[in-house]
Amino acid sequence: AQSVTQLGSHVSVSEGALVLLRCNYSSSVPPYLFWYVQYPNQGLQLLLKYTSAATLVKGINGFEAEFKKSETSFHLTKPSAHMSDAAEYFCAVNQAGTALIFGKGTTLSVSS
Amino acid sequence: SAVISQKPSRDICQRGTSLTIQCQVDSQVTMMFWYRQQPGQSLTLIATANQGSEATYESGFVIDKFPISRPNLTFSTLTVSNMSPEDSSIYLCSAAGDPAYNEQFFGPGTRLTVL
Repeated sequence: AQSVTQLGSHVSVSEGALVLLRCNYSSSVPPYLFWYVQYPNQGLQLLLKYTSAATLVKGINGFEAEFKKSETSFHLTKPSAHMSDAAEYFCAVNQAGTALIFGKGTTLSVSS
Repeated sequence: SAVISQKPSRDICQRGTSLTIQCQVDSQVTMMFWYRQQPGQSLTLIATANQGSEATYESGFVIDKFPISRPNLTFSTLTVSNMSPEDSSIYLCSAAGDPAYNEQFFGPGTRLTVL
């Protein structure tokens, strides 16, 4: 069975500060990993995905994530937070052709 | 990519009634899924909607409570039956196309409140 664990249900940063959202996965087979963002009262938007082509994945809005097999991690980062980044972020895992399994989510707050 | 629409976008229902949510994809897709997002929670997979056959339900979800149809490659419905306040959630439809791309797209969700 596959699963993801997001460490920290709530992360607060100042505008311009580094954003780091943590995700660890568990999978008996090579996983595909994703980060989604959900703005208030909106649907899910794909930020980026890892599909084994490259360990450092760049996504939209300046976000990136690095796949570290030895640490079973796929942490999401952004060098400089903007107020508009405030949202709920979900890490997810699957195998190709199967449904995504989501972590519990991390709420990112950005203060000025 | 695939664009997914859901109807209704929101509804307020009485205890004991049923609501059917429709999901329409703008292109043929291989797989369709239904998720539930309870207030302040993450997404939980309810079932995989199989075209032309019975849906595959996850542990904790049963067909009598959440009957699902998928008559073709672009359309699916989820019914929430005999509703109780605990069913108040956002229900999201999702679709995946070519497994080689392994991308899953999400509809905007249906916000259900049961009184």
